[in-house]
Amino acid sequence: QKEVEQNSGPLSVPEGAIASLNCTYSDRGSQSFFWYRQYSGKSPELIMFIYSNGDKEDGRFTAQLNKASQYVSLLIRDSQPSDSATYLCAVVGSSNTGKLIFGQGTTLQVKP
Amino acid sequence: DARVTQTPRHKVTEMGQEVTMRCQPILGHNTVFWYRQTMMQGLELLAYFRNRAPLDDSGMPKDRFSAEMPDATLATLKIQPSEPRDSAVYFCASGLRNNEKLFFGSGTQLSVL
Repeated sequence: QKEVEQNSGPLSVPEGAIASLNCTYSDRGSQSFFWYRQYSGKSPELIMFIYSNGDKEDGRFTAQLNKASQYVSLLIRDSQPSDSATYLCAVVGSSNTGKLIFGQGTTLQVKP
Repeated sequence: DARVTQTPRHKVTEMGQEVTMRCQPILGHNTVFWYRQTMMQGLELLAYFRNRAPLDDSGMPKDRFSAEMPDATLATLKIQPSEPRDSAVYFCASGLRNNEKLFFGSGTQLSVL
């Protein structure tokens, strides 16, 4: 079992719809969770982070964390074609060393 | 505008040659990560440092890869000898220990023929 798992997609949504991206992790003691966005040919950039159970909103983005079920999700409201990218889930495990492990990423396509 | 600087951006070499990739972390950052990205494996953690000390290099093939931080402004990743299966994009990222948010460099696209 991989430490961080994501569906590779592609996930295709129409412009203006809500895109839902999911991620599960294996280390139950993980404390910190991140979403990075990577455009084709570019480097990953941080868009959201969440540490506590529940929802965290930032503009059109909402991160959701459920530690009991060991999943974290990212919702993108009013999706735009410019949101088309690969979204990487990343988790810092329980070892307290700050080691950041990434999932494979989910490719999102927003169609005009 | 603070950013992580990686050199070279592109490297084409022949099998068996030594490859050295360099990274200048953001000034003041005390953690440095090296990742390798391929289509098949995604982003794999190779090694990371905190305050220049190596914390984990378990993801790195020890027989051919080595990572060092000779000073706080420079991290290096070396492959000797290089093999075609090493072809990938190598990213360096830096951050601050207490907030764990990483900033990535532009990457080194390595092709080993």
